[in-house]
Amino acid sequence: GENVEQHPSTLSVQEGDSAVIKCTYSDSASNYFPWYKQELGKRPQLIIDIRSNVGEKKDQRIAVTLNKTAKHFSLHITETQPEDSAVYFCAASSSGGSYIPTFGRGTSLIVHP
Amino acid sequence: SAVISQKPSRDICQRGTSLTIQCQVDSQVTMMFWYRQQPGQSLTLIATANQGSEATYESGFVIDKFPISRPNLTFSTLTVSNMSPEDSSIYLCSVVDSSGANVLTFGAGSRLTVL
Repeated sequence: GENVEQHPSTLSVQEGDSAVIKCTYSDSASNYFPWYKQELGKRPQLIIDIRSNVGEKKDQRIAVTLNKTAKHFSLHITETQPEDSAVYFCAASSSGGSYIPTFGRGTSLIVHP
Repeated sequence: SAVISQKPSRDICQRGTSLTIQCQVDSQVTMMFWYRQQPGQSLTLIATANQGSEATYESGFVIDKFPISRPNLTFSTLTVSNMSPEDSSIYLCSVVDSSGANVLTFGAGSRLTVL
């Protein structure tokens, strides 16, 4: 089955800096890669996703890149703000099957004011 | 996206008892899942709740411990049976919306503490 590795497990940045979280996956059939943000005590919420037919997607301060050849994808947050502090999970899935995403272990992002 | 109501939001339970968590969705969904999130950990899939048939369990999870019902396309329950402190966790219901975008949406979760 699919295996998703996520790094780093903890990331501490100063407000205004950029943050990058990286994930790798093992199943070449995976073609959908969502990112979830989970604030303390709350549910995971989708913040951005990318499908295998594109290499990059942006939404304001958030961007995701995908390299299918290398089987890795990354989340980029620019101009970080304290409200970006949360745990971020990457995931990979294949729409051709039963669609069950495999999640990475999560990255705890701390943005210091 | 689908709106998911999950209850209870939290509970404190005694060892050896069982607790049933309910998940109600505001629209019919084909795919519904139950996840466990242990403190500080990632999201682990327990099972896929199948409407009208037995749930499909992931490795390490069994029906006797986590019986699941799904009587229709908008409702499911997860029971945590014969609880021990190791079952203290957040249990999350999730659905894939039927719009075709294959986006996974989570309920607010049920935080169980077993004493």
